[in-house]
Amino acid sequence: QKEVEQNSGPLSVPEGAIASLNCTYSDRGSQSFFWYRQYSGKSPELIMSIYSNGDKEDGRFTAQLNKASQYVSLLIRDSQPSDSATYLCRPGGYNKLIFGAGTRLAVHP
Amino acid sequence: GAVVSQHPSWVICKSGTSVKIECRSLDFQATTMFWYRQFPKQSLMLMATSNEGSKATYEQGVEKDKFLINHASLTLSTLTVTSAHPEDSSFYICSARREGLYEQYFGPGTRLTVT
Repeated sequence: QKEVEQNSGPLSVPEGAIASLNCTYSDRGSQSFFWYRQYSGKSPELIMSIYSNGDKEDGRFTAQLNKASQYVSLLIRDSQPSDSATYLCRPGGYNKLIFGAGTRLAVHP
Repeated sequence: GAVVSQHPSWVICKSGTSVKIECRSLDFQATTMFWYRQFPKQSLMLMATSNEGSKATYEQGVEKDKFLINHASLTLSTLTVTSAHPEDSSFYICSARREGLYEQYFGPGTRLTVT
């Protein structure tokens, strides 16, 4: 089992819809979780971090964490074409720096 | 805050030469910096972790004599690709982390092309 698994996509959603991105991880000891956005040809940008079970909202983004199921997700409300990018999940503790392969999101007008 | 810069942003070099890439944390002290490599349409691959003042820790399969990492200060780490070959052509990205915090911040990346 890979340490971090994400559906590679592409996930195609219409503009204005909710995009749901999922990530599962194998290390039960993971305490912190991060979502990064990477535009084509650019480096990743941190967009959300979550440490506790439940939901964390920031603008149009909501991160959801379920430690018992070893599952973290990112919801993007009112998706815009500018949200089209690859979204990388990184669960882990202080010394774990392994990223998921990323899910490519395509938001079409 | 948490701005990381890289220089150069792109470089073309001839096979057999060496290239140095700089990574700087501009507004914070980074006790730990990380170097990643990313080939087209592939995921980020961690190459090595460097802590200020000590030797870098390389991931399995990464040649430490080929990819020299120096982290001489709390704001600067360098990656030198020695005797570069076309297969080393890639997007090299550094990231930095403040001591005690989990978040890491990425530099803009350096695109290396070896001809």
